[in-house]
Amino acid sequence: GQSLEQPSEVTAVEGAIVQINCTYQTSGFYGLSWYQQHDGGAPTFLSYNGLDGLEETGRFSSFLSRSDSYGYLLLQELQMKDSASYFCAVRSQGGKLIFGQGTELSVKP
Amino acid sequence: EAQVTQNPRYLITVTGKKLTVTCSQNMNHEYMSWYRQDPGLGLRQIYYSMNVEVTDKGDVPEGYKVSRKEKRNFPLILESPSPNQTSLYFCASSPRGAATEAFFGQGTRLTVV
Repeated sequence: GQSLEQPSEVTAVEGAIVQINCTYQTSGFYGLSWYQQHDGGAPTFLSYNGLDGLEETGRFSSFLSRSDSYGYLLLQELQMKDSASYFCAVRSQGGKLIFGQGTELSVKP
Repeated sequence: EAQVTQNPRYLITVTGKKLTVTCSQNMNHEYMSWYRQDPGLGLRQIYYSMNVEVTDKGDVPEGYKVSRKEKRNFPLILESPSPNQTSLYFCASSPRGAATEAFFGQGTRLTVV
């Protein structure tokens, strides 16, 4: 079967760094993406990793290890507005985009 | 403005009354898909389409139908809605390619009573 595992919730304080992990098992793998969703809103794209290593976009970084079927999203200098749900997603064969169950991040003052 | 448009945003209906949720994108994307989102279950794919006249089942297709007669439109049809189809539905589109970003519509909150 196909599955993506990520923690259900994470709590951190403003200004801190938080890491959200994702492990995956899919038939075919064409990259790991991360999406952010504020309460009830549309998910929005954050980052993509097709090859092993770290991708950095401002305060957000994403890492992939294909040999470990593992990736993470790193959020630095946390702000209150970063409180949201974060989803990892794998592009598998046939163009399917499969999502994890999401991690709810709460940023406290 | 590049966007994915879903209608309606909110819908309350009764069991068994056929309904259609429309989805349209203006970015000439090949890929389109439908997801449902339920608390604690993330985004589960219902159906997806790689191009016109090509559709495939996702992980939870039972009780749903789709069609892709035109590139820009991908309607979701519930022939006989049931209360377990009460959910938040998202349509998404993306261009061909692995590294591409998926663009989501604003969602349709459906309640079946």
